[in-house]
Amino acid sequence: GENVEQHPSTLSVQEGDSAVIKCTYSDSASNYFPWYKQELGKRPQLIIDIRSNVGEKKDQRIAVTLNKTAKHFSLHITETQPEDSAVYFCAASKAAGNKLTFGGGTRVLVKP
Amino acid sequence: GAVVSQHPSWVICKSGTSVKIECRSLDFQATTMFWYRQFPKQSLMLMATSNEGSKATYEQGVEKDKFLINHASLTLSTLTVTSAHPEDSSFYICSVGRGGFDEQFFGPGTRLTVL
Repeated sequence: GENVEQHPSTLSVQEGDSAVIKCTYSDSASNYFPWYKQELGKRPQLIIDIRSNVGEKKDQRIAVTLNKTAKHFSLHITETQPEDSAVYFCAASKAAGNKLTFGGGTRVLVKP
Repeated sequence: GAVVSQHPSWVICKSGTSVKIECRSLDFQATTMFWYRQFPKQSLMLMATSNEGSKATYEQGVEKDKFLINHASLTLSTLTVTSAHPEDSSFYICSVGRGGFDEQFFGPGTRLTVL
């Protein structure tokens, strides 16, 4: 089955700096890659996603890049703010709306 | 989007008892729902895919006789943790996919604590 690895497990950045989280996946049939932000005790919240027919997608301070050949995708957060502090998960699926395989998560701390 | 609810939001039970968790799709009919489990400070792990009107599909390593899933209607799936033990204490989250939307819609989760 699919295996998704995520790095780093923890990330501490100064407010205003950029944060980058990287994920790799194993199943070349995966074609949908969402990123989630999860706060303690809450449900995962979709922040951005990308399909395999697109190499990059941006939404304000958040961007995702996908390299299908290398089977890796990354989340970029620019101009980080304290409210960006949370746990972030990448995931992969063979079809949008289908079951997800999650990465191990990255705990991001933005220091004021 | 889609609105998904779960009940209860939290539950505490004694070891050896059974607990039922409900997942409801409030604004559309879901033929498929997914159940995930999340231990503290860990990732979400898919437990099973719940299919309306048929048997659930369990992921490898998940005991189907311990985690009973019933998807009796297009708006309700239930997960019953039978003979619960402290190691079953976790955050259980359901999700649904909806035609026309890429994203999955998650319920708010149920925190189970087994004493």
